[in-house]
Amino acid sequence: GAGVSQTPSNKVTEKGKYVELRCDPISGHTALYWYRQSLGQGPEFLIYFQGTGAADDSGLPNDRFFAVRPEGSVSTLKIQRTERGDSAVYLCASSQRTGYQETQYFGPGTRLLVL
Amino acid sequence: QKEVEQNSGPLSVPEGAIASLNCTYSDRGSQSFFWYRQYSGKSPELIMSIYSNGDKEDGRFTAQLNKASQYVSLLIRDSQPSDSATYLCAVKRSGNTGKLIFGQGTTLQVKP
Repeated sequence: GAGVSQTPSNKVTEKGKYVELRCDPISGHTALYWYRQSLGQGPEFLIYFQGTGAADDSGLPNDRFFAVRPEGSVSTLKIQRTERGDSAVYLCASSQRTGYQETQYFGPGTRLLVL
Repeated sequence: QKEVEQNSGPLSVPEGAIASLNCTYSDRGSQSFFWYRQYSGKSPELIMSIYSNGDKEDGRFTAQLNKASQYVSLLIRDSQPSDSATYLCAVKRSGNTGKLIFGQGTTLQVKP
């Protein structure tokens, strides 16, 4: 079946602008995660949704970052007043069930460049 | 100290050799451990998961877990040039949050 999809694949924006990144999880997956990966580093957790609600948003770096998942499927990560330091690959992952044996499947990512 | 630590490498091995990748973690409450492979410019792909002490084998891959030493390793037997990638160790703590804590990754180069 189809995997996790993310759009756009690349986004170039100017400092101070607003951006939205979209994630479409695997059908039927109730858990959805956003991570951010900088060059040469491992992914860094941002936020976790179980259904429509954010179960853990402890990784959001500041209040410029916000994410929603209104119908429990597609999620949008929103970044206000972008800064050059926000440049990274934003990865979305989904899983069918939670618990210690949960497997997260990653999408291809959105490469964000803030000029 | 980072919560999950890996040697960034690169680790270079000849084709056909065994590649050994190591990872240590600091949270004793961690209960699930994963190895992801990431090719350059691509997203992470799960290759192994391990939850209890000991070895777990899947084809050419063996994951090893020692919770007392807070140590996880991945062995790749008969390494192939196609195994050249960055290998990410990820750890999940106990509790309700499903977030993964990743190491910085080890770059493996398999030379023909």
